[in-house]
Amino acid sequence: RKEVEQDPGPFNVPEGATVAFNCTYSNSASQSFFWYRQDCRKEPKLLMSVYSSGNEDGRFTAQLNRASQYISLLIRDSKLSDSATYLCVVKGPMRFGAGTRLTVKP
Amino acid sequence: NAGVTQTPKFRILKIGQSMTLQCTQDMNHNYMYWYRQDPGMGLKLIYYSVGAGITDKGEVPNGYNVSRSTTEDFPLRLELAAPSQTSVYFCASSYVAGTGVTDTQYFGPGTRLTVL
Repeated sequence: RKEVEQDPGPFNVPEGATVAFNCTYSNSASQSFFWYRQDCRKEPKLLMSVYSSGNEDGRFTAQLNRASQYISLLIRDSKLSDSATYLCVVKGPMRFGAGTRLTVKP
Repeated sequence: NAGVTQTPKFRILKIGQSMTLQCTQDMNHNYMYWYRQDPGMGLKLIYYSVGAGITDKGEVPNGYNVSRSTTEDFPLRLELAAPSQTSVYFCASSYVAGTGVTDTQYFGPGTRLTVL
């Protein structure tokens, strides 16, 4: 079993749609959780950290369920510019998921 | 600030050749990391450093070496290149406070390496 697993997608959604990604992790001792965004052939960039109580940043909402060992990312009102690969990252030690590819279409 | 810079951007090596991938950061971060990303895969940690003079193995260290003589620089050395090392290599840095709370990892633009 992979340490961090994500649905690879691709997710193809129309503009304005709401889309959700899930990520599961195997190490129950993991300490920190993040979502990174990676555009094609570019470096990853931090989208948001994920806190136990859940957190929101504009159209993006991240949640953590430690008991079930999964993290989620919800994107509301999708924009064309949201098209990218979203990487789930778990620290303790640092492990990246393979990413979920999102394409938002007009 | 330039952030994290990596050189070269692209390189083709023959099997058995050696090379050093350069990484420099100007943000005075204490932690630095090297990752590789194979097509369709997540990033895998090769080596990391918590400060000058201190390095440690990550998930996939075999075939690589690192050194950290200064806070700014963290070069990655490939001694005997093999086709399995064909990948995109990313360097990253972050500031980790004494409490262990991790700040954002900032990534360089990557080096695309092909071993033939």
